Amino acid sequence: SAVISQKPSRDICQRGTSLTIQCQVDSQVTMMFWYRQQPGQSLTLIATANQGSEATYESGFVIDKFPISRPNLTFSTLTVSNMSPEDSSIYLCSVEDWGQGMNTEAFFGQGTRLTVV
Amino acid sequence: KQEVTQIPAALSVPEGENLVLNCSFTDSAIYNLQWFRQDPGKGLTSLLLIQSSQREQTSGRLNASLDKSSGRSTLYIAASQPGDSATYLCAVNKSNDYKLSFGAGTTVTVRA
Repeated sequence: SAVISQKPSRDICQRGTSLTIQCQVDSQVTMMFWYRQQPGQSLTLIATANQGSEATYESGFVIDKFPISRPNLTFSTLTVSNMSPEDSSIYLCSVEDWGQGMNTEAFFGQGTRLTVV
Repeated sequence: KQEVTQIPAALSVPEGENLVLNCSFTDSAIYNLQWFRQDPGKGLTSLLLIQSSQREQTSGRLNASLDKSSGRSTLYIAASQPGDSATYLCAVNKSNDYKLSFGAGTTVTVRA
């Protein structure tokens, strides 16, 4: 199983500022994803982080608001830009290693609990 | 669009009782179904992965079954303990699609 380190674990930010969340994996993985979990809700996929190219965003999420980097197969960052209180959520990094095909487990980081005031 | 439903939304049981958590999905063309545990304000811990060709998976006190044709999975937790208190989420990914669709979860409280 993959071990994922996500930083920071929590933060309280002022509206209008930006926060960058880091996700480090202990092994090279094929797929890295970023999810958002709003209070009391389930997980919603923000984007797939593609190594060496632009991320693939889901409907309702845009690069200007959630820029993502993935410089290599073990690391990715998500930035939440120009924050508003509506961005208060848990942000989660997830990985899957498809080296053995699609029947692989998804693993998650411990999440970043963001509060925007 | 894949819809994943978990019933009940919340469950409270005395310690020692067996837990039964249900997950249903609308599109039976899935690749995998995965059960997760989430503690308050934390990330997700993978509990069990059931591939579409499998009917069940077991790990310790946990057993998950999959009936792909009827679009259902059940997670059984035997002899519950207060440490089992958490939210349990199921997720599926469709054939040839890596994206996971999550249910809203079942929040379990095990009373000592």
